[in-house]
Amino acid sequence: DADVTQTPRNRITKTGKRIMLECSQTKGHDRMYWYRQDPGLGLQLIYYSFDVKDINKGEISDGYSVSRQAQAKFSLSLESAIPNQTALYFCATSDGGQGNYGYTFGSGTRLTVV
Amino acid sequence: LAKTTQPISMDSYEGQEVNITCSHNNIATNDYITWYQQFPSQGPRFIIQGYKTKVTNEVASLFIPADRKSSTLSLPRVSLSDTAVYYCLVGGPENSNSGYALNFGKGTSLLVTP
Repeated sequence: DADVTQTPRNRITKTGKRIMLECSQTKGHDRMYWYRQDPGLGLQLIYYSFDVKDINKGEISDGYSVSRQAQAKFSLSLESAIPNQTALYFCATSDGGQGNYGYTFGSGTRLTVV
Repeated sequence: LAKTTQPISMDSYEGQEVNITCSHNNIATNDYITWYQQFPSQGPRFIIQGYKTKVTNEVASLFIPADRKSSTLSLPRVSLSDTAVYYCLVGGPENSNSGYALNFGKGTSLLVTP
């Protein structure tokens, strides 16, 4: 089983729909992250959480919300999806160790908003 | 948070050595330099990390000059499968009070051709 599991792997949704992307991890890491990737734009940080009670906005949090249900689970929601949220979404975890060595990424969720 | 600058893209032929340089002029004393590799439609994965001088592993070498204001990732004898995006990141130990999450940026897109 993968250390960081994202579901679904692919999703097509309509404009205005609410959608949730889920992430679970077996690494035992406290820190979890959601990133978005658009072609040619690299990875942009949406939200991050350093523990269950800690949620922080990243570079591009507008239009997104998150929920840290447990140490192992971190969900990303789009309350009302719009076409420019079409992108590849990655969840990641880290152990907070020296130099950011311990980042582990999931396989990604490809979201298409039509 | 130390900002990094690296080339947007590089091209190489198979079998050549590839050197990707990253500038980080405002690196802090306790910051480490970490490189990640990302293949299309996959999450980034750790390649190498260093603090000063030279680090070598089975995949790459990392050269860091004494002033630590730049670093060079060296990939020996690249193959077609090394075609990927390479991210240079600079950061220090994270803690729950003053920790931060990484911004991966755009990275360097390396294309290896026959």
